[in-house]
Amino acid sequence: DIQVTQSPSSVSASAGDRITITCRTSQALINALAWYQQKPGRAPKLLIYAASNLQPGVPSRFSGSGSVTDFTLTINNLQPEDFATYFCQQANSFPPTFGQGTRLEIK
Amino acid sequence: QVQVVQSGAEVRKPGASVKISCKSSGHSFTNYAVHWVRQAPGQRPEWMAWINGGNGDTKYSQKFQGSLTVTRDTSATTVHMEMRSLSSEDTAVYFCARSSCANGDCHSYAFDVWGQGTMVTVSS
Repeated sequence: DIQVTQSPSSVSASAGDRITITCRTSQALINALAWYQQKPGRAPKLLIYAASNLQPGVPSRFSGSGSVTDFTLTINNLQPEDFATYFCQQANSFPPTFGQGTRLEIK
Repeated sequence: QVQVVQSGAEVRKPGASVKISCKSSGHSFTNYAVHWVRQAPGQRPEWMAWINGGNGDTKYSQKFQGSLTVTRDTSATTVHMEMRSLSSEDTAVYFCARSSCANGDCHSYAFDVWGQGTMVTVSS
């Protein structure tokens, strides 16, 4: 299985800040990487698919980039509703696997 | 409006089975796959299986081969997941989620619509 490692595991920031979360995979992907936001007690919500495509309805302050084994989720101008846990997921190889998550906390 | 609604919480004893349902509405059921993903408390999501809503093909994670069965009822636009021989390690929230499917490959796509989750507790 492809291993997916996120960093950092947690980050503290303030509203209006910009943050970056990194996802590294153990094998090269053909850009089949997705990012999800999850709030406590809720299902994950798709933000980015195919590494850099914004899911319809997701604010443009979210963006994804990267290729091969290194991918990044950037959130500009953090809003109060963005404080949550973020997961990346590779869909390039069976079975799909998720990163361990990055918890975004209010500073 | 696209929706995926799951059945309610379940409590089982070790060794028992559980069956969870996932009803889709607002989209063409046969054009998508339904996946099962579970998440133990404080852990990352873990993918378990998918079923192709169109032809009923299934694919399971090796970890769950033999203990998991996923079926579909196209007339009811509902997918069912049955897990057998439960242990305390199966205590988790179980989600169903939708993805596209193409040429028999239903695992190369992101999960764009999720159910609300079903808590399964396994305890003696």
